Amino acid sequence: EADIYQTPRYLVIGTGKKITLECSQTMGHDKMYWYQQDPGMELHLIHYSYGVNSTEKGDLSSESTVSRIRTEHFPLTLESARPSHTSQYLCASSINTGNTIYFGEGSWLTVV
Amino acid sequence: RKEVEQDPGPFNVPEGATVAFNCTYSNSASQSFFWYRQDCRKEPKLLMSVYSSGNEDGRFTAQLNRASQYISLLIRDSKLSDSATYLCVVNKDTGRRALTFGSGTRLQVQP
Repeated sequence: EADIYQTPRYLVIGTGKKITLECSQTMGHDKMYWYQQDPGMELHLIHYSYGVNSTEKGDLSSESTVSRIRTEHFPLTLESARPSHTSQYLCASSINTGNTIYFGEGSWLTVV
Repeated sequence: RKEVEQDPGPFNVPEGATVAFNCTYSNSASQSFFWYRQDCRKEPKLLMSVYSSGNEDGRFTAQLNRASQYISLLIRDSKLSDSATYLCVVNKDTGRRALTFGSGTRLQVQP
């Protein structure tokens, strides 16, 4: 089993609130990723990181931001949540970009 | 054209059947290939890597055809527990980008 953890697992929040989704991995992986997935739909990469102090935007434009101050930690922040942000957010990590990606269990966000 | 394309299905098959999925990729420079399995409302999990010479893991066989740029997954003796969405995953090079996921093929195994 992968050692990658996300909190909260489920969050219902009002419009305009600031939220941070936490992601931690204990595998020492340099590469970390955030994917967004609506139910029954495909995964979209929204952010990735090669290592500490390195972050880049993914394929799908997102109003969220990320930071990578420590290898094991890759939080995602939404400054002002909107109903359009309602989705599942999946954090993942890998040793390298060509290697297996391990996913956390996901964070289900509902903005009302 | 999408980088990775899959037939969304669903494939409805009886228990014990053999079923095969194909996946095509657009970038001939692709280096790494995987099949992931995703259960409803769960995270994707690695099913198997796909090697150039093809590989087998129990009831599952994966094949790679570089000339035609597709990979396949064969499931023999389908079980009810095989019902899931199967994601084709490709990395186009050893550079800095993440893996690219297909939109998945849904399999429903029926009793």
